[in-house]
Amino acid sequence: QSALTQPASVSGSPGQSITISCTGTSSDVGSYDLVSWYQQYPGKAPKLIISEVTKRPSGISNRFSGSKSANTASLTISGLQAEDEADYYCSSFAGSTTLAVFGTGTKVTVL
Amino acid sequence: EVQLVQSGAEVKKPGESVKISCKTSGYNFNGEWIVWVRQMPGKGLEWMASIYPGDFATKYSPSFQGQVTVSADRSITTAYFQWSSLKASDTATYFCARHRLWVARSIDYGMDVWGQGTTITVSS
Repeated sequence: QSALTQPASVSGSPGQSITISCTGTSSDVGSYDLVSWYQQYPGKAPKLIISEVTKRPSGISNRFSGSKSANTASLTISGLQAEDEADYYCSSFAGSTTLAVFGTGTKVTVL
Repeated sequence: EVQLVQSGAEVKKPGESVKISCKTSGYNFNGEWIVWVRQMPGKGLEWMASIYPGDFATKYSPSFQGQVTVSADRSITTAYFQWSSLKASDTATYFCARHRLWVARSIDYGMDVWGQGTTITVSS
């Protein structure tokens, strides 16, 4: 099972919107609406920000939103803020044998 | 409050083994998967293995099958990760997390609570 493909870096100015893509295959992203997104600051544990493609856990800002089309999921951060500068990872359920596959990760820089 | 607290950093020599723990509290330990995730220095997250303490079912990534062992002690709501015959390239931070997953029903609510991470350094 190969890692899901994400852009290495995405940048934007404060207030702008950015979108991070997460491309998998018909065996993972394309087969299940079970994509999650995680935010990670340097030296810290990841934090769940989106589950089941579009759902935000309690306490997560509505500036984060998710979507999916075919084998590609996306995370959009609107109204970009300095605190959004972090690494972001997608993951997908991939069946009863491969419970999870992560994306390659994207570093978000706020200009 | 749901908490996962991992054991402290380890320094090992090549060929040695290591066992790290993930002490959980605040939820039904038997009813949720625990996942183990590796992050090598400066690199991304990798799913390594998972265990369901309710019936001790385990799942392993093919990349780590045979190299690592996950286990759980229900009496103290603690999960373990063991790596035998370490190599320098195994130097990484290892995270445990609660994975709200129902495999048979293909329901996955994500890895919603994480441990703080345990750094394993392998050096001669």
